[in-house]
Amino acid sequence: KNEVEQSPQNLTAQEGEFITINCSYSVGISALHWLQQHPGGGIVSLFMLSSGKKKHGRLIATINIQEKHSSLHITASHPRDSAVYICAVVSNFGNEKLTFGTGTRLTIIP
Amino acid sequence: NAGVTQTPKFQVLKTGQSMTLQCAQDMNHNSMYWYRQDPGMGLRLIYYSASEGTTDKGEVPNGYNVSRLNKREFSLRLESAAPSQTSVYFCASSELTQGVGTIYFGEGSWLTVV
Repeated sequence: KNEVEQSPQNLTAQEGEFITINCSYSVGISALHWLQQHPGGGIVSLFMLSSGKKKHGRLIATINIQEKHSSLHITASHPRDSAVYICAVVSNFGNEKLTFGTGTRLTIIP
Repeated sequence: NAGVTQTPKFQVLKTGQSMTLQCAQDMNHNSMYWYRQDPGMGLRLIYYSASEGTTDKGEVPNGYNVSRLNKREFSLRLESAAPSQTSVYFCASSELTQGVGTIYFGEGSWLTVV
């Protein structure tokens, strides 16, 4: 079993729909990161969470430390949101190495 | 702002050839990483450098060597390329404290070994 599991693996939705991507992890963590990988391959950091909730524009990320679960939500989705969304965790063992999920491929249809 | 710059972007190698992927960051970060990304798998850590002069093996280090030349640069070398090393390689840098901070990635290097 992978330490970081994402669901769904693939998601296709119509423009305007509310999107939820889930991330579950099995280790104790100090932080969780959400990343976006564009079709051209570049990876950018969206959020870093250690507790609670963060919002940036139409993106909202939440984390429940007790349940070892995080969600990334996109409101009023748009075709430009089409990308692979990756969850990564930093364990609380003292090093700063990230463990990555396999990603969720999101396609928003106009 | 350059951020993390890695070269080359594309490379085709023959089995047994050697090559070096170069990475440089201009954010004065201590930590630098090399990852590989394969279809259906998450990014996997090849090597990690917590500071200038130190390197640690990651999850998949076999067949690779690294050099942390100075604080800016972290290179990845394939001494004798194998088809199993066909992948997309990403360099990254960060200044994480107990996981808190932002990680920055290069644009990726697409390597094919034939």
